[in-house]
Amino acid sequence: KNQVEQSPQSLIILEGKNCTLQCNYTVSPFSNLRWYKQDTGRGPVSLTIMTFSENTKSNGRYTATLDADTKQSSLHITASQLSDSASYICVVSPFSGGYNKLIFGAGTRLAVHP
Amino acid sequence: NAGVTQTPKFRVLKTGQSMTLLCAQDMNHEYMYWYRQDPGMGLRLIHYSVGEGTTAKGEVPDGYNVSRLKKQNFLLGLESAAPSQTSVYFCASRDRDFSGANVLTFGAGSRLTVL
Repeated sequence: KNQVEQSPQSLIILEGKNCTLQCNYTVSPFSNLRWYKQDTGRGPVSLTIMTFSENTKSNGRYTATLDADTKQSSLHITASQLSDSASYICVVSPFSGGYNKLIFGAGTRLAVHP
Repeated sequence: NAGVTQTPKFRVLKTGQSMTLLCAQDMNHEYMYWYRQDPGMGLRLIHYSVGEGTTAKGEVPDGYNVSRLKKQNFLLGLESAAPSQTSVYFCASRDRDFSGANVLTFGAGSRLTVL
């Protein structure tokens, strides 16, 4: 069964520190992998999209990496800010499926404390 | 641009009652989706639409109906609400694309509680 597992479930860091969130998936073959940020009480907002041939993609202080061989992705947040407090969701698109086949991870809840 | 707007934002229902969630988008997107988000689980697709007048079932369609009479609106209905339908519902839309890497635009969510 195609699955997307994220770790840790939750994380607390101090403002200004870096952190890395993990995403492991069993979807194969896959078309692309996305990271979304979901603020409390809001809908998810896209951070990055990587195809299976890309290794890294940056969006400001957010850098996503992808290792298609080990089926792992990570989202690295540099110099965290209070506004980074949110859930981060990893989403994998199977190669043979459309947008109706997207597989969402349960998310990592990040809290940045002053 | 408002993007994707969902109404209502909050609703409490009793078991057996019916209700409709409205999703409206002003981006002229072809495709629209309804998801539910439950604690500890990823978003799950309920129904989707690939254009005005079309609907299709997603992963968890039972107990829900949808309609897309106008391109900008996608309605999600619960005919007889059950406690298992307590959840946060998200609508999303996207434009037609051929890259497979299009971005979904989500609404802010509708929190439904069924007692």
